[in-house]
Amino acid sequence: DTAVSQTPKYLVTQMGNDKSIKCEQNLGHDTMYWYKQDSKKFLKIMFSYNNKELIINETVPNRFSPKSPDKAHLNLHINSLELGDSAVYFCASSQFGRYGYTFGSGTRLTVV
Amino acid sequence: QQQVKQSPQSLIVQKGGISIINCAYENTAFDYFPWYQQFPGKGPALLIAIRPDVSEKKEGRFTISFNKSAKQFSLHIMDSQPGDSATYFCAASVGSSNTGKLIFGQGTTLQVKP
Repeated sequence: DTAVSQTPKYLVTQMGNDKSIKCEQNLGHDTMYWYKQDSKKFLKIMFSYNNKELIINETVPNRFSPKSPDKAHLNLHINSLELGDSAVYFCASSQFGRYGYTFGSGTRLTVV
Repeated sequence: QQQVKQSPQSLIVQKGGISIINCAYENTAFDYFPWYQQFPGKGPALLIAIRPDVSEKKEGRFTISFNKSAKQFSLHIMDSQPGDSATYFCAASVGSSNTGKLIFGQGTTLQVKP
């Protein structure tokens, strides 16, 4: 039973399109995150939600909009995709905030 | 100040050898320092973590050494095995428990040769 699951695993799309990535955790954690891993494997936080409330919003273009319908789900919608958005996007969750993240397997987004 | 600098970028070690990865930070507000291991196609997984009031923590073949005055910490992998070949990330945590975040180093790709 996957603890943090993301769908889809791969996403190839054209510039200008809108796409969504879904994340679900079955660990009962209160906090969920989106991280972006670039081509050099650098991991950078984008957003965090605690009990459906947006807590962290790093300097991310407003084309990226997270939504948390409940504390087990955190989705990421991206409008007007650009080539530079190509990366692996990781969802993570934790019970004790910034301690002990559990990451999903990632969504590899390729914008062509 | 919010950065964590990690070195080396890549590392090749013979089976049975010791792998050492180093990290440095500036922000003295960081108070939790985990290491994550990532295999290709997978998400990072928590390996071991330390708080700054402890100078060393060991779990099996993995040891974190922490030098608070120098603002440096390192991961030592003893008796390195080919199965340890992965990318390793150090991280530092800042903020309150529910509003804080992990800041990651740049990653080290470790290859253990048989």
